[in-house]
Formats: sequence, C-alpha cells, structure tokens
Amino acid sequence: QKEVEQNSGPLSVPEGAIASLNCTYSDRGSQSFFWYRQYSGKSPELIMSIYSNGDKEDGRFTAQLNKASQYVSLLIRDSQPSDSATYLCAVNNMGNQFYFGTGTSLTVIP
Amino acid sequence: EPEVTQTPSHQVTQMGQEVILRCVPISNHLYFYWYRQILGQKVEFLVSFYNNEISEKSEIFDDQFSVERPDGSNFTLKIRSTKLEDSAMYFCASILTSSNSPLHFGNGTRLTVT
Repeated sequence: QKEVEQNSGPLSVPEGAIASLNCTYSDRGSQSFFWYRQYSGKSPELIMSIYSNGDKEDGRFTAQLNKASQYVSLLIRDSQPSDSATYLCAVNNMGNQFYFGTGTSLTVIP
Repeated sequence: EPEVTQTPSHQVTQMGQEVILRCVPISNHLYFYWYRQILGQKVEFLVSFYNNEISEKSEIFDDQFSVERPDGSNFTLKIRSTKLEDSAMYFCASILTSSNSPLHFGNGTRLTVT
C-alpha cells in the first residue's frame, strides 16, 4: 500500500520564525511531489511542486526533496499568522494517481 | 486563471436519498478526480476518470457511487442511497495530461446526510 506520512502536529511557531514541515512516502516509483495549504473548511490550494532532488524556492517557501531517503519537506520563512493552516503533502506516481498525507496543522503565533 | 467549479457548495439530504454532485473541470484538462474529506480527516481518493471511463477507483467507491461525464464540460458524482457516514466534503479535481501536473481542486461540496 502506498503511504504518505506526515506529523499531524499541531506545530506552533512564533511570527517571523521558520516553520519546517516534513513528509515521507513509501513508493519509490513516485515521480512528483506537491505541497498544498488547506484552510479550515476550504479546498486544498497548491503552494509548491517539486520533481527532482534538491531545493526549490518560491518566495518565502522552499521545498526540499530527497528521493533516496523518500523524504520531502517544506520550509516557510518569516512565518505570518496568515500561514496558519493545514499543510498537505501529496505524491504522484506514474499512473496519475495522487496520495495525500494526513496533513500538518501549523499555527503561527503573533 | 481557469478554475474547477463545483455545485452546490452545500447539500443536505436525508439518509437513503440520492444525491448528485456537479463539477466543471478546467476546459483543457483530461483527467478528472473525486476526493472526499471527512471532517478532521485526510483527503481520500475516490475515483479518477479519463477518456470517458473510470481509470482507477478506491475501496470507498463501491456500488453506491457512480461518475459520469454527460456532456463536454460537466463531471458528476452520484451517490445512490446516502448513508450518515457519507457526510463529508467532496472535492472535484482535474489535471492536464502530464503526470507532473498538480491537481487543481474545486471549492468543494459539503454533503450533510441526516
């Protein structure tokens, strides 16, 4: 069974700090990796996608992928209260099938 | 920016009734999905649809569920005889052809079965 694991949290960080969110996956055939942000009662919103090993930066967000360790992470720099949400890790295999983790709840404290 | 639209935003139904949830995927996308999220739980895959047929379905997607693309734009999820445990947010999503494409989600339909 293909699994995507995330620490459910809650993770609390003070405003301005770096939030670090982690995700591991079981299927070595996974090709694409995504981070979604989900506010309560809303649909998931794409933040980052990453396809190759290393870091990918977009504004305050950095995604990191290590396929050998089957590990993907998301760093949020200069965290803002508006970043408070649940962050979902999603993994895609060759069959256009997406697997989601349970999500990590992040609270940024003003 | 094109988006996935879902209607209704909230549906209340009585147990045993049939419901149809509607979605209009992004127009040039070819793969369509339905996901479910029970309150406080993870996003769960229900079914994927490509080239006018189901390409994959999960164990959740039993005989009570069906999907249809009745015309060139709509993509529907039907639940024939709703149960209390069907209460959840239902998200429609679509992607372009590539496996590297991210899922684009609609705003969801909150289904409440009483």
